[in-house]
Amino acid sequence: QSVLTQPPSASGTPGQRVTMSCSGSTSNIGNNYVYWYQHLPGMAPKLLIYKNDQRPSGVPDRFSGSKSGTSASLAINGLRSEDEADYYCASWDGSLMGELFGGGTKLTVL
Amino acid sequence: QVQLQQSGPGLVKPSQTLSLTCAISGDTVLSNNVAWNWVRQSPSRGLEWLGRTHCKSDCYYDFAVSMKSRITINPDTSKNQFSLHRKSVTPEDTAVYYCVRNDIPYGMDVWGQGTTVTVSS
Repeated sequence: QSVLTQPPSASGTPGQRVTMSCSGSTSNIGNNYVYWYQHLPGMAPKLLIYKNDQRPSGVPDRFSGSKSGTSASLAINGLRSEDEADYYCASWDGSLMGELFGGGTKLTVL
Repeated sequence: QVQLQQSGPGLVKPSQTLSLTCAISGDTVLSNNVAWNWVRQSPSRGLEWLGRTHCKSDCYYDFAVSMKSRITINPDTSKNQFSLHRKSVTPEDTAVYYCVRNDIPYGMDVWGQGTTVTVSS
């Protein structure tokens, strides 16, 4: 069981907006940055969001991140079939002195 | 352009040591504000951070609580690479292993190609 809690699944139809959550504590999300990674089958994970809400170069602006207190969210606007993947949140934990990943949310595009 | 190239065996027997190497190009293991990580992925556990090293004048190490005492990460400045060694493996260590650059605080932005490691006799 992960310290960062994500819903195991989410779904949407093409063009919809989908959001997924990541819940932690003051040891991690509450006092450190949140990152989001996209993992497509057979590929290496890809950085989607850094420092809570920043997009690396090349990541479409359909993807956005936010953080409030000890929780964070990833939103995808204009859902596409190629967005079907596993999404992981991550944050440093100052008590455990280590990086944490959430359990991941499997996004299905119907 | 930073690239990470992994090497190492895909099959390890139970109780033996798993060893993987990650060669760095386009950056250096001594870069400021950069940590070199190992992460694994399995269907049952998802992404799991194993540990990291970051070097300035000295090298520092952080490990996942579940990994401590059975894992080492060794930077090699002469070859510009870093390695993972995991002792006494069990079938639960079967996973895809990735080496990863973390350009702090900009995130884990460069990943190796991944090595599928199976622990089986």
